[in-house]
Amino acid sequence: EDQVTQSPEALRLQEGESSSLNCSYTVSGLRGLFWYRQDPGKGPEFLFTLYSAGEEKEKERLKATLTKKESFLHITAPKPEDSATYLCAVSGAGSYQLTFGKGTKLSVIP
Amino acid sequence: EADIYQTPRYLVIGTGKKITLECSQTMGHDKMYWYQQDPGMELHLIHYSYGVNSTEKGDLSSESTVSRIRTEHFPLTLESARPSHTSQYLCASSGLAPSSYNEQFFGPGTRLTVL
Repeated sequence: EDQVTQSPEALRLQEGESSSLNCSYTVSGLRGLFWYRQDPGKGPEFLFTLYSAGEEKEKERLKATLTKKESFLHITAPKPEDSATYLCAVSGAGSYQLTFGKGTKLSVIP
Repeated sequence: EADIYQTPRYLVIGTGKKITLECSQTMGHDKMYWYQQDPGMELHLIHYSYGVNSTEKGDLSSESTVSRIRTEHFPLTLESARPSHTSQYLCASSGLAPSSYNEQFFGPGTRLTVL
């Protein structure tokens, strides 16, 4: 059974204070690891897909990395508009379905 | 513009009512999904469809039913709503493109409250 654990559950940062969110996973034959951003009362917004260990992807202040057991979402010099819940999900071999973690709620204080 | 739509956005109804939550996508995707999400909790898959006339139940047991008569439309129905059905319902789709066949794109969600 695929499992995803995200930490921390919540993170408060000062504007400009860089940090990282963690996503640990167990999956039978990783097909893809996905990062989403979710604002309150809205559907998740797709950010990145990572397919193999060592892969990295960047978008503005966000950078996602992947190892064989975990993924990190690095946030560089965050701004208040980066405040949201960040979700991690995995897809295993032979499946199009995603298994989600509970997310990390990020608050960036001006 | 390619997008995924859900209606209504908010619904408050009484116990025992029959309801249908609508989901439509103009992404050209063949796969569609329904998730349930409670506050502070992870998304749980309740139904999915890989094509017209094909539907399956997800990992989370649900009393709802779905249909897929048209590629772009994937409605969810509750025959008799109960307070335990109160939740956020999210619809998603994914497509055929080689670089994105597993990436799911979500609608805005329907917040259902059953009194």
